This record gives sequence, structure tokens and C-alpha cells, in this order.
Amino acid sequence: EADIYQTPRYLVIGTGKKITLECSQTMGHDKMYWYQQDPGMELHLIHYSYGVNSTEKGDLSSESTVSRIRTEHFPLTLESARPSHTSQYLCASSEGWDSPYSPLHFGNGTRLTVT
Amino acid sequence: AQKVTQAQTEISVVEKEDVTLDCVYETRDTTYYLFWYKQPPSGELVFLIRRNSFDEQNEISGRYSWNFQKSTSSFNFTITASQVVDSAVYFCALSERDNYGQNFVFGPGTRLSVLP
Repeated sequence: EADIYQTPRYLVIGTGKKITLECSQTMGHDKMYWYQQDPGMELHLIHYSYGVNSTEKGDLSSESTVSRIRTEHFPLTLESARPSHTSQYLCASSEGWDSPYSPLHFGNGTRLTVT
Repeated sequence: AQKVTQAQTEISVVEKEDVTLDCVYETRDTTYYLFWYKQPPSGELVFLIRRNSFDEQNEISGRYSWNFQKSTSSFNFTITASQVVDSAVYFCALSERDNYGQNFVFGPGTRLSVLP
């Protein structure tokens, strides 16, 4: 059963539009992540958060931004979408601090196509 | 620095064959955790197994088995009597504790195709 939810599942949008990809988790996890992945290819960490009001950039430079105002919510925003942003975006969470044994729990992903 | 290598980019087998997916990792820490994830064509990442660095017992779950060997820094995954539904990309991952909890590193993935 999914305890981490991403919407929309698919999004086709024109160049220059502003978009927000939603991610929510109901597990009370401190740490949340955004990965970018071309289908079946390597996962690239683009943003992560240790908790409320904490955001950090990941290994892959991204033109997107994130916010963490509530523990359960970690939206990703693209101010001006471009075709190079076409990819799958995966949100994940983990227990963080006291549970290094905790696996990452992933959402179903958002497949973004920018035309 | 941590690193995870999955040398097999793609593997094709015929249904009912056994197949082993290799995973080799690098870490300086003595305490770390290893994971395998499955990504079917639908795109979601499904957690399969975790193992901590102090537990070298092999594990079997149905047709799946995992062989963890610290001496060779390997955590290999075997599917016995493969089925078409096993076709997916499989990712090996390493987790260590950092100042804020965990730091995950994923391998590049191995695409497994099981042919009928």
C-alpha cells in the first residue's frame, strides 16, 4: 500500500509554464527526497530535506526548487518548464535520524513531458 | 566516498532460467546498510530487501535469494526459475549514517529481460 503519494501521475505541458509536482507522505518521516530519472536509467538526487524548513540541493544540478513547510508535504516547482525537463520525478521518504536501517519509500512518480 | 557498481547493464534470460545480478560497493564505514529495489515498467521503485553490515547471513524469500559477502564487498541477488514478471530494472543501494540520518547511494541499475 502506498504511504507516499505523488500527483499528477502524468503531466504534459508547454514550454515556459510553471508547474508544481506534489508529494505527500503519511508516515511522519523526517527526511524526504526528490530524484530525477529517465525511464529505467540512473537515479539522480536533485533535492532533499531533513525536516521542516530544511532543504538542500542534491548531486544533480536542477533548475527546480522545493519547500518543506509541513513534515508530510514536499512539493517541487519548476518556474519555467523546458523540454530538457522531460523526465520522471520520484519522491521518497525515510525515517531519518534514528533509523539508518530504514529503506527509502518511493512514490509512484510523475512522468513529465514538456513540449 | 561511497560507491555502488552494478557492472551488468542488461541481462536477458529465458523463462525458468536462474539469474544473478551483481552488486559491488565501496565504503569506509564499518556500519552501513544495503538494499535492493525493483523498478517494473510501470516506473515505481519497490523495496525488496535490506541488510546491515553486521549480518552476513544469506537470505531466501521464495524465488529470490541474496548473497552478502563483506570480504568481496558484494551483495548479489539471485532469481531462481525466472518468470516474465521479473522483467524490470533492479537497483542496488548503499546507506550510511550521516549527520542528519542517512545518505543513500544507488547503483546504475541492471535491466533484466525474461523472455517467454
